[in-house]
Amino acid sequence: AQTVTQSQPEMSVQEAETVTLSCTYDTSESDYYLFWYKQPPSRQMILVIRQEAYKQQNATENRFSVNFQKAAKSFSLKISDSQLGDAAMYFCALNSGGSNYKLTFGKGTLLTVNP
Amino acid sequence: GAVVSQHPSRVICKSGTSVKIECRSLDFQATTMFWYRQFPKQSLMLMATSNEGSKATYEQGVEKDKFLINHASLTLSTLTVTSAHPEDSSFYICSARAGWGLNTGELFFGEGSRLTVL
Repeated sequence: AQTVTQSQPEMSVQEAETVTLSCTYDTSESDYYLFWYKQPPSRQMILVIRQEAYKQQNATENRFSVNFQKAAKSFSLKISDSQLGDAAMYFCALNSGGSNYKLTFGKGTLLTVNP
Repeated sequence: GAVVSQHPSRVICKSGTSVKIECRSLDFQATTMFWYRQFPKQSLMLMATSNEGSKATYEQGVEKDKFLINHASLTLSTLTVTSAHPEDSSFYICSARAGWGLNTGELFFGEGSRLTVL
C-alpha cells in the first residue's frame, strides 16, 4: 500500500514571499513518480510539478521547485515570489506504477496568499 | 495537448433518477481512466479504475451497482449514478492515462462535475 501525508491543512504567505509545503510518502516500490497538483476554486486539477524517483536532481518549473529527499521519503514544494493566483488547494500525489498507474493523494494544503 | 473534457459540469436531479457523466480524452487515446469523488474541502477519493473494453475495478466500499462505469472506447468513459439520493451529491472528477509510449506517470484531469440530488 502507498500513503501520502500532508501535515499542513492550511498555510499562508505574503505576496512576493516564499512558502514551502510539506509532503511525506510511503511506498515499497523503488521506481515511482511524485506530483504536486493545484486545485483553484474552479476545481480544475492542474499539474504544478513532477519528479521521477530515479532522478536525483530536484525538479523545477519557473517559480516552483521541489526538495526531494528519497531516503527520508519527503517531497516538499517551494513556491517563490508568491502571487495572488497561487492561492489554491495543493495536493501531493504518488504514483507507484503497476498496471494501472493509480494516483494516491494527500489530504491537501490550502494556501492563502495575502496582498 | 492531453486535454480531458468532462460533461456536464453541473447537474441537478431528483432523488431516484439516474445521471450520466461523460469523460472524454480529446486529443489522445486513454487506455485507462479513473473516477474520483471529492467532498468539500477534502481530498480526491478514487472510486474506480476503468480500462477500455473491460470491466471497471472498484475501490473497496464503492458500490458498483450504484456507480456504473463504462469505458467503451479509448476516448470515452462514462459514470452513471443510478437511483441517485441526496447523499450521492458530490463533485466527481475523471482522469485519464495516455496510451502513448512515453511513461511519465502523469494523469490528465477533467474539469469535474458537480452533482446535486434533491
